[in-house]
Amino acid sequence: ELKVEQNPLFLSMQEGKNYTIYCNYSTTSDRLYWYRQDPGKSLESLFVLLSNGAVKQEGRLMASLDTKARLSTLHITAAVHDLSATYFCAVDNAGGTSYGKLTFGQGTILTVHP
Amino acid sequence: NAGVTQTPKFQVLKTGQSMTLQCAQDMNHEYMSWYRQDPGMGLRLIHYSVGAGITDQGEVPNGYNVSRSTTEDFPLRLLSAAPSQTSVYFCASSWAGEQYFGPGTRLTVT
Repeated sequence: ELKVEQNPLFLSMQEGKNYTIYCNYSTTSDRLYWYRQDPGKSLESLFVLLSNGAVKQEGRLMASLDTKARLSTLHITAAVHDLSATYFCAVDNAGGTSYGKLTFGQGTILTVHP
Repeated sequence: NAGVTQTPKFQVLKTGQSMTLQCAQDMNHEYMSWYRQDPGMGLRLIHYSVGAGITDQGEVPNGYNVSRSTTEDFPLRLLSAAPSQTSVYFCASSWAGEQYFGPGTRLTVT
């Protein structure tokens, strides 16, 4: 059974600081996703990571994937208040074909303080 | 192009009532899924479909039925609602590894 674990589950940051959210998963994965969710809203896709060593960056967020360690990280650089949200990682292990069967981590609630 | 739409946005049911959550997509995607989201937890897969006429169970299928008669529609049926089904429900469609989530339905069962 695939398990996906995020840590930390709660993250309180000061503006301008850097931090990393970790996502560990228990079995071989084909794709790893990062999503952002604002309160009362749906999920917004941030990154899709497909291969070992993949690194993607968008603004102050950078995601990486190490398939050998079964670990993905979401790094936040110089946090700003607008990044306050819940961040989820999710893994798709359908064996080469993505059917949209994702297993999600618990989510990390990020709060950025002035 | 509306993407993935869900109706209703909000619903309150009494225990034992039945209802159908509607999901539609206009992107001609073969794959569609239903998830539920509970506080402090990530989304959990209820049922999914790989095409019209083909459905299968996800992680938490008990108490829910689905069918897929067309590519566009993937309704989720609660046959006899229970308080444990109070949750936010998200429908998603998928193509080439990208997931497209609907806006969600917030369901309360009293």
